[in-house]
Amino acid sequence: ETGVTQSPTHLIKTRGQQVTLRCSSQSGHNTVSWYQQALGQGPQFIFQYYREEENGRGNFPPRFSGLQFPNYSSELNVNALELDDSALYLCASSLRQGPTNEKLFFGSGTQLSVL
Amino acid sequence: AQKVTQAQTEISVVEKEDVTLDCVYETRDTTYYLFWYKQPPSGELVFLIRRNSFDEQNEISGRYSWNFQKSTSSFNFTITASQVVDSAVYFCALSGNNQGGKLIFGQGTELSVKP
Repeated sequence: ETGVTQSPTHLIKTRGQQVTLRCSSQSGHNTVSWYQQALGQGPQFIFQYYREEENGRGNFPPRFSGLQFPNYSSELNVNALELDDSALYLCASSLRQGPTNEKLFFGSGTQLSVL
Repeated sequence: AQKVTQAQTEISVVEKEDVTLDCVYETRDTTYYLFWYKQPPSGELVFLIRRNSFDEQNEISGRYSWNFQKSTSSFNFTITASQVVDSAVYFCALSGNNQGGKLIFGQGTELSVKP
């Protein structure tokens, strides 16, 4: 187990609604990354938070937003849900100690279904 | 642009067979990092290895081995004497220099090991 926990594990929403997904990072880690994994595909990078600020973003619209808290936990918010937002959302934590590409430790994800 | 290609969508082997999972990558960066992750049915991505572009030494860890060849932009993964517990989806990923938690994943290879 990586020590990264995500909640909830499953969620069903309807189109147009808003959703908040939560992630607790592994003890000692200071960085959180979020990924979207559609069925049968590899994960796609949404964004990363370091020291409570967004630090890199993938090709996702502004209705995908996030927060990182002082305890390094994080939230992913998605507004105006669309059917294509149905996916597994993975959170990964890591320890950034300098200009390097750290190992990511992933949680088990939140399976979001948009009807 | 950065890209990772895992041409094998599905592989099925019988227990104790050796199996190699292929990974080909594209990047213009001179410094980059390559990763392999395992995703069992539980959904959590499990870190297997990280390799930087300046280290072309092959690596062996138990039944796992990795062959990194910059000349062919490949980073292949071999499981020796496969076991049923190796059944999972395996992802190869690429990260550019100082890209932190932004990984570019391939489509994944689903490995099925039958008893």
